[in-house]
Amino acid sequence: AQSVTQPDIHITVSEGASLELRCNYSYGATPYLFWYVQSPGQGLQLLLKYFSGDTLVQGIKGFEAEFKRSQSSFNLRKPSVHWSDAAEYFCAVRAAGNKLTFGGGTRVLVKP
Amino acid sequence: DGGITQSPKYLFRKEGQNVTLSCEQNLNHDAMYWYRQDPGQGLRLIYYSQIVNDFQKGDIAEGYSVSREKKESFPLTVTSAQKNPTAFYLCASHGDTQYFGPGTRLTVL
Repeated sequence: AQSVTQPDIHITVSEGASLELRCNYSYGATPYLFWYVQSPGQGLQLLLKYFSGDTLVQGIKGFEAEFKRSQSSFNLRKPSVHWSDAAEYFCAVRAAGNKLTFGGGTRVLVKP
Repeated sequence: DGGITQSPKYLFRKEGQNVTLSCEQNLNHDAMYWYRQDPGQGLRLIYYSQIVNDFQKGDIAEGYSVSREKKESFPLTVTSAQKNPTAFYLCASHGDTQYFGPGTRLTVL
């Protein structure tokens, strides 16, 4: 069965600093991978997705992610964090039936 | 304006009562999903439906029921058999990817 691990439960970063969120997946076939962001009490918003092709994918809000098959990873990055990036971030892998399996999430706190 | 609506945003119920959460989409998507979110546990799949009049259990279906009589609607009933129903519930539909509603926070007193 597929699984997703986000090793960091919390990350604190200073405004203007770079951010990297880790995601490792386990899936037998070629994975379809996603990053979502959730503000408190809100639904999930899709940041970016990887289906195939270029392993570096660009998303909204200045985020990017790199798919590394050899490491079973799909890490999310942003060069310069803004206070509005404080939120919880979820990595997910899509399995049969278009079902998503989510990681436990990483909560990002931005210091001024 | 296309999207997914969930109502109500907050819901309070007494223990032992059934409660139904609404999910409506106007994206013309065939597939719809219900997730439960608890702090620190990510999202877990309760039920999903690939097409009208058909649905399947997800990973944590016990104590929940659904119906899919219309393409636009996928209501979730939290029954009294659900042992720990207090949680944040998210509905989603699938087009090229999954799109989520704003969620309903259910508190059972």
